Amino acid sequence: DGGITQSPKYLFRKEGQNVTLSCEQNLNHDAMYWYRQDPGQGLRLIYYSQIVNDFQKGDIAEGYSVSREKKESFPLTVTSAQKNPTAFYLCASSIAINYEQYFGPGTRLTVT
Amino acid sequence: EDKVVQSPLSLVVHEGDTVTLNCSYEVTNFRSLLWYKQEKKAPTFLFMLTSSGIEKKSGRLSSILDKKELFSILNITATQTGDSAVYLCALPRYNFNKFYFGSGTKLNVKP
Repeated sequence: DGGITQSPKYLFRKEGQNVTLSCEQNLNHDAMYWYRQDPGQGLRLIYYSQIVNDFQKGDIAEGYSVSREKKESFPLTVTSAQKNPTAFYLCASSIAINYEQYFGPGTRLTVT
Repeated sequence: EDKVVQSPLSLVVHEGDTVTLNCSYEVTNFRSLLWYKQEKKAPTFLFMLTSSGIEKKSGRLSSILDKKELFSILNITATQTGDSAVYLCALPRYNFNKFYFGSGTKLNVKP
C-alpha cells in the first residue's frame, strides 16, 4: 500500500534538546511539506521541498531544519532555538507543487 | 495580502441536519481551492475546485466555487456523527509554491 508514514506518533523531549521527526513516502511524489498545527489554528507551513536536494523555508521556519537527500524521505529537526516547539506536526506530499497534498498521521511533540 | 477565512469557526448540529461551511479568500493569481477533512490526526483530501459554478459531489458532501464573489461552500446533508471533524480550506499561494490553509471549521454532530 502506498502512503506516508511519520514516526513516532508521540514524542517527549526536554527543553534544550534537538529532536528529529521522520517522514517517509512511497508514493513517488516529488514535493514534500512540513506543517505545524496548534490548538484552534490552521496548518502553518514550516518547510517544503519541490525535489530532491532542494528545500525552501515556509512561513515559520525559524528554529527548524530539514534535509531532502532521498525522494522518499524528508526529516524535520526541531532545534533548541525553536521557542515554542510543543505542537502537532504534519508531513505531506504531492505529485508536484500545487497539486493536492496527502498527509501522514502526524507526530505530537511535547517539550517540557 | 493573501488571506483565507473560514466560517463559522465551530458548529454544533444534530444528526440529520444539513450544514454549510464557508471559505472566503483573497489570493493573487487564483489557481484552485481545496477542501480537507481532519479528524483526530491527518487531514484527508475531499475536493479540488478550479472552475466557478461547477459542483463537486461525493455522497452526502458537495462543494461549489464562486470565483466572482471569492468564496466556496462545502455542504453536508443528512449529517452523521462520523462527520464530526475540522474542515479545512486550502489555496495555493501567489507564487504557486505553497498551500495556504484557513483555520478550519470545527463541526460537531450530536446523535
